[in-house]
Amino acid sequence: AQSVTQPDIHITVSEGASLELRCNYSYGATPYLFWYVQSPGQGLQLLLKYFSGDTLVQGIKGFEAEFKRSQSSFNLRKPSVHWSDAAEYFCAVGASGKLIFGQGTELSVKP
Amino acid sequence: GAGVSQSPSNKVTEKGKDVELRCDPISGHTALYWYRQRLGQGLEFLIYFQGNSAPDKSGLPSDRFSAERTGESVSTLTIQRTQQEDSAVYLCASSPGTGGFGYTFGSGTRLTVV
Repeated sequence: AQSVTQPDIHITVSEGASLELRCNYSYGATPYLFWYVQSPGQGLQLLLKYFSGDTLVQGIKGFEAEFKRSQSSFNLRKPSVHWSDAAEYFCAVGASGKLIFGQGTELSVKP
Repeated sequence: GAGVSQSPSNKVTEKGKDVELRCDPISGHTALYWYRQRLGQGLEFLIYFQGNSAPDKSGLPSDRFSAERTGESVSTLTIQRTQQEDSAVYLCASSPGTGGFGYTFGSGTRLTVV
């Protein structure tokens, strides 16, 4: 069955430091992969998506993610974190017409 | 409408009562999805409607949960005989249904069962 694992429940980084959020998926075919962000009191916003082609995808707010088929991973990265990036981040895989989400990673940003 | 609208935004109900949650999708979106998000948890898929096809109900946790959608319009999620473990935010999303997973999420209904 399709599934998504986000191994880190909570991560804290200092403002200006780099960030990597991990995501591993289980899916039999070429996956459609997504990262969403949920800020406190806000709805879910799509950061980026991967369907095919270049394995490094660029998203909004300076985020990028790299698809690695050999590792079944789709990690999210940002070179320099801003305090406003503090939020919950969800990785998802598209399967059978719907999105299957991971449990999320909560990001805290230290001043 | 401009976005996905959910009502009510908050609902407090007594254990054992039935509740109905409503979702108004974006006009023209053929696909509609319901998810549940318990406190501190990820999004749990509940049900998916695509046009006039039979819905994918594989995520409904028990027979107390049901959902309806008329055509490509409003959907209602009904929870019968609510239990405390049903307390969660219920999120609705719609998409054009063209296979691109272009979800637009609503703001959710926060359900509290006391």
